[in-house]
Amino acid sequence: AQKITQTQPGMFVQEKEAVTLDCTYDTSDQSYGLFWYKQPSSGEMIFLIYQGSYDEQNATEGRYSLNFQKARKSANLVISASQLGDSAMYFCAMREGHTGNQFYFGTGTSLTVIP
Amino acid sequence: GAVVSQHPSRVICKSGTSVKIECRSLDFQATTMFWYRQFPKQSLMLMATSNEGSKATYEQGVEKDKFLINHASLTLSTLTVTSAHPEDSSFYICSARDLRGSYEQYFGPGTRLTVT
Repeated sequence: AQKITQTQPGMFVQEKEAVTLDCTYDTSDQSYGLFWYKQPSSGEMIFLIYQGSYDEQNATEGRYSLNFQKARKSANLVISASQLGDSAMYFCAMREGHTGNQFYFGTGTSLTVIP
Repeated sequence: GAVVSQHPSRVICKSGTSVKIECRSLDFQATTMFWYRQFPKQSLMLMATSNEGSKATYEQGVEKDKFLINHASLTLSTLTVTSAHPEDSSFYICSARDLRGSYEQYFGPGTRLTVT
């Protein structure tokens, strides 16, 4: 079974609008971490936001927020007030265990912001 | 945030030659570094986990004799693609985990390898 599932290969959003990128995960661990990364065309992986499995509040970082629904095993990324520079690939990832090393990545969602 | 560099950023080599890619943690020590491979429009696939002072752990299906990994210090890991072939052309990304136990992995900017 896939550890991380991103069902949206491509998404479009109007500039200044909000957009939600979906991510579901599969783990039997009680302790795990969820991450979102942005990958522009240059290829670098840019860390956006982190949610720990024991965090009771949804993580927020500026225009990024993570809608964490533990019972549904979903960790959707919400980008508010989209900007043209947000156009990129977005990857959801999970690390199992508090000290686990391996990251499991989803297949990514390509976001295009339309002016 | 922590910085990880990769060198070179782009390399073109002829089939049959070997290519070395360096991954450095610039402002922290990393006992563990990771090497990923990414094909166009696909996700990152973990190739191997590089541990300082010991042998790397390779993922299933990754040829350890073809992708040589050396992690000689707490700030440097190298990936050598030996006898490269066109099918080895890909984007290679390393990441490093901070020795101080941060939950995050810091990624390098990637190396685009083209084998002609």
